[in-house]
Amino acid sequence: QQQVKQSPQSLIVQKGGISIINCAYENTAFDYFPWYQQFPGKGPALLIAIRPDVSEKKEGRFTISFNKSAKQFSLHIMDSQPGDSATYFCAASKAGGTSYGKLTFGQGTILTVHP
Amino acid sequence: EADIYQTPRYLVIGTGKKITLECSQTMGHDKMYWYQQDPGMELHLIHYSYGVNSTEKGDLSSESTVSRIRTEHFPLTLESARPSHTSQYLCASRNQQGLGSPLHFGNGTRLTVT
Repeated sequence: QQQVKQSPQSLIVQKGGISIINCAYENTAFDYFPWYQQFPGKGPALLIAIRPDVSEKKEGRFTISFNKSAKQFSLHIMDSQPGDSATYFCAASKAGGTSYGKLTFGQGTILTVHP
Repeated sequence: EADIYQTPRYLVIGTGKKITLECSQTMGHDKMYWYQQDPGMELHLIHYSYGVNSTEKGDLSSESTVSRIRTEHFPLTLESARPSHTSQYLCASRNQQGLGSPLHFGNGTRLTVT
């Protein structure tokens, strides 16, 4: 059962362009939505996260947009750079009980930014 | 930079061997996790621990076992490795404070069972 669906599987953009990765979730109990960035040979690292009480969060060139009614959230990378080339994972978690802090990850998106 | 260490980084082993993947963190985090990462990238939770002597199975069924005798150490053991166990195994930890505290991942162990 895939509770978090991520698309596209791969994405190629030119330097300076906008990269957009989308995720959809099923479980309305989810209340924490982070994005992780993974470089080859490394573990994932937290990039940015959002709670459902806000519709957008921005940190530098990275923005999360959140649509609670549609159960969707997306990552926007403005002015994409070759150094942004990595695999990106969305994730979701719900508070309370035995699920506290356990993340469910999307399938991942391989982003390639061409110079 | 998170201080979570996994050894070995790469392991090639024959079918039927017993293996232990090591994971240690120096941050004093109570919560620790093992994720299995498929060649196709997706991460699946296979074990987690909320503290010493606390271990639970994750969402993905796994033949591996874990132990948590010390806060900083969370090893994963396969009693009899099989080719189906070939994967990357990622260890992670986070502190107790709040839902928003990030997962800190190690760099993983890439296991190949021949």
